[in-house]
Amino acid sequence: EIVLTQSPATLSLSPGERATLSCRASQSVDIYLLWYQQKPGQAPRLLIYDASNRATGIPARFSGSGSGTDFTLTISSLEPEDFAVYYCQQRSNLPLTFGGGTKVEIK
Amino acid sequence: EVQLVESGGGLVKPGGSLRLSCAAPGFSFSSAWMSWVRQAPGKGLEWVGRIKTKSDGGTTDYAAPVKGRFTVSRDDSKNTLYLQMSSLQTEDTAVYYCTTSFFQLRTSAFDLWGQGTMVTVSS
Repeated sequence: EIVLTQSPATLSLSPGERATLSCRASQSVDIYLLWYQQKPGQAPRLLIYDASNRATGIPARFSGSGSGTDFTLTISSLEPEDFAVYYCQQRSNLPLTFGGGTKVEIK
Repeated sequence: EVQLVESGGGLVKPGGSLRLSCAAPGFSFSSAWMSWVRQAPGKGLEWVGRIKTKSDGGTTDYAAPVKGRFTVSRDDSKNTLYLQMSSLQTEDTAVYYCTTSFFQLRTSAFDLWGQGTMVTVSS
């Protein structure tokens, strides 16, 4: 099973600041890494697929990069609605796995 | 409107069974690989299992914690996905989501999610 490790667990930032979230895989997932945003009481929302492609309707302030085992989600300038939990997921191998999440909270 | 609507959650005793349903109106259901993902209270996301399309063999895959206890099935004539859960344990307590890739059929990039249904396993 591919283990995804997200860091940091919590990121405390102010609106307008840049957020950099990391996801490391225990073995290569090529580019098959996705990012989701989840707010309390809501289902996850797909942000980025295959490492760097924004999903439909996702603002340009969200970007993804990486390949192999190391991936980054960047939010260039945090908006109030961006404070949430972010998960990475790999679709390279079964079982599909998710990272433990990074909570982006208001400082 | 394209949506997924889960139902069937509730309270069940350890060792019991439950069947969840996920209706998919307004969607090319028969062309989509469908998955179940769960989330225990206050915890992260965990993939449970998947079923491919009939044209891809209708095969199923499962996460290790549920293999042999849970069964994913589909009825394309009713645009409905099912999760039959048996030998339920307290660790199975979670919100269960059905999900799929609407923009990239037959992949596991989940851009369409249901609202979730809560399953509580407790005596």
